[in-house]
Amino acid sequence: GENVEQHPSTLSVQEGDSAVIKCTYSDSASNYFPWYKQELGKRPQLIIDIRSNVGEKKDQRIAVTLNKTAKHFSLHITETQPEDSAVYFCAATIKAAGNKLTFGGGTRVLVKP
Amino acid sequence: GAVVSQHPSWVICKSGTSVKIECRSLDFQATTMFWYRQFPKQSLMLMATSNEGSKATYEQGVEKDKFLINHASLTLSTLTVTSAHPEDSSFYICSAIAPASAKYNEQFFGPGTRLTVL
Repeated sequence: GENVEQHPSTLSVQEGDSAVIKCTYSDSASNYFPWYKQELGKRPQLIIDIRSNVGEKKDQRIAVTLNKTAKHFSLHITETQPEDSAVYFCAATIKAAGNKLTFGGGTRVLVKP
Repeated sequence: GAVVSQHPSWVICKSGTSVKIECRSLDFQATTMFWYRQFPKQSLMLMATSNEGSKATYEQGVEKDKFLINHASLTLSTLTVTSAHPEDSSFYICSAIAPASAKYNEQFFGPGTRLTVL
């Protein structure tokens, strides 16, 4: 089955700096890659996603890049703010496999004011 | 749109009892729902895929007789933790796929249920 690795597990940045989180996946059939932000005790919130036919997508301060050949994708947060502090999860899914999401291990991001 | 609710939001029970958690899609019909478990400071792990009108598909290592899933309607799936033990204490989250969703494969998550077994 699919395996998703996520790095780093923790990330501390100064407010205003950029944060980058990287994920790799194992199954080349994966075709949808969402990123979630989860605050303590809350549900995961979709912040951005990318399909396998796109290499990059941007939404204000958040961007995601996908390298299908290398089977890795990354989340970029620019101009970080304290409210960006949370746990971020990458995930991958294969539509043909019933749309099951396989999550990465998570990255705890702390933005220091 | 695409709101998913869960009930209860938290529950405390004694060891050996059973607990039922409900997952509802409030404004759409979900032919497929998913159940995840999340231990503290860990990732979400898929437990099972719940399909309306058919048996759930469980992930490897998940005991189907312990975690009973029923998807009796297009808006409701239930997870029953039978004979709960302290090691079952966790955050249980459901998600649903809206068939008419404009997003590709997007899953909509419920708010989660915190289960504590004493």
